[in-house]
Amino acid sequence: GDSVTQMEGPVTLSEEAFLTINCTYTATGYPSLFWYVQYPGEGLQLLLKATKADDKGSNKGFEATYRKETTSFHLEKGSVQVSDSAVYFCALSPRGNFNKFYFGSGTKLNVKP
Amino acid sequence: DTAVSQTPKYLVTQMGNDKSIKCEQNLGHDTMYWYKQDSKKFLKIMFSYNNKELIINETVPNRFSPKSPDKAHLNLHINSLELGDSAVYFCASSQTRTDGYTFGSGTRLTVV
Repeated sequence: GDSVTQMEGPVTLSEEAFLTINCTYTATGYPSLFWYVQYPGEGLQLLLKATKADDKGSNKGFEATYRKETTSFHLEKGSVQVSDSAVYFCALSPRGNFNKFYFGSGTKLNVKP
Repeated sequence: DTAVSQTPKYLVTQMGNDKSIKCEQNLGHDTMYWYKQDSKKFLKIMFSYNNKELIINETVPNRFSPKSPDKAHLNLHINSLELGDSAVYFCASSQTRTDGYTFGSGTRLTVV
């Protein structure tokens, strides 16, 4: 079945460090892929998305590229800030069934000044 | 503001009580959802409605009953609350599989 696996956290970085959060998926065909961010005490917000292979989603300095050959959608940011501290969720929407998204287990990011 | 709004934000109640959480979206989306987030942040889908029709009903105790009076509203009623029901409940809506979900800000339910 469809599923998403993302790296366990927490991930602790110093400000201005490079961030990578790994996400791999299992799905039939070509799903749409998403990264969501959840700040403390808030709901999930869509951070970026990619709907087909080789697409790159980007927003607020974050990027992720839809890699069909490695079934991956890793989240990257070149220089993190304290304000990026949050929980990040990778998710997929299967082709042909958008009514059910599959979420990864979330990766908590702590950025220290 | 266009959004998914849910009320209340916090709910503290005793075991055995019945409570409801309300959700409304003004985005014009056809599909709405209820998710449960546990203390480890794991998200589990509970229900999904498309144009007032139930389309997803995961393995959820029948003490949980969703109601969708129209496609802009999806409420969640919980009977005979138990300690294990304590969690954050999120409402969400979507229109297409490529747009993603829009989430509400969550309802933190604490059963004591």
